[in-house]
Amino acid sequence: EPEVTQTPSHQVTQMGQEVILRCVPISNHLYFYWYRQILGQKVEFLVSFYNNEISEKSEIFDDQFSVERPDGSNFTLKIRSTKLEDSAMYFCASIPGGRYGELFFGEGSRLTVL
Amino acid sequence: KQEVTQIPAALSVPEGENLVLNCSFTDSAIYNLQWFRQDPGKGLTSLLLIQSSQREQTSGRLNASLDKSSGRSTLYIAASQPGDSATYLCAVRGMDSSYKLIFGSGTRLLVRP
Repeated sequence: EPEVTQTPSHQVTQMGQEVILRCVPISNHLYFYWYRQILGQKVEFLVSFYNNEISEKSEIFDDQFSVERPDGSNFTLKIRSTKLEDSAMYFCASIPGGRYGELFFGEGSRLTVL
Repeated sequence: KQEVTQIPAALSVPEGENLVLNCSFTDSAIYNLQWFRQDPGKGLTSLLLIQSSQREQTSGRLNASLDKSSGRSTLYIAASQPGDSATYLCAVRGMDSSYKLIFGSGTRLLVRP
């Protein structure tokens, strides 16, 4: 069964460093998302991406964050200058077809900022 | 602002029991509701998607019901097994924004052999 794949599974970085998290969504899916889950907290929406542009972003998704789909298959989340509070599990997700459909998540990338 | 609450936060049952997990949401204007399973340190596995026009959805031993007007959904697990042990999350897609899901905190389920 096709799945959303994410790399790296775990990244440790120093505060202030740039981090890029990568995702390969399921190939025929059209809507792409990033969510995050801080340890012990709810899963939170960060950003949605459709037709090569951001459709919606949360207040968490400030100027330190950016997303890209550089080559038609990969979908990346960049954090320019990481802070301690960016430590979380970051999940990529995608939907086939219409935007009201079933959301499929990857296994996540755990980011630890020291 | 949509808020999603799940009760109980944790549940421990002996194997074989039928159980019900509850999810409530404050704004009934939703497109759909999705139930997920999350194993420790892992991603979210979709279990069931129930549209706002539907009353229930079934998949194997799982049955999800939706009462949109009262802002409630339940996930019924029949004949629970130790392999069902996980955290169960519900999430709603509201009509204020169709792109994002709003998640509850989850119910952590332990099924004892």
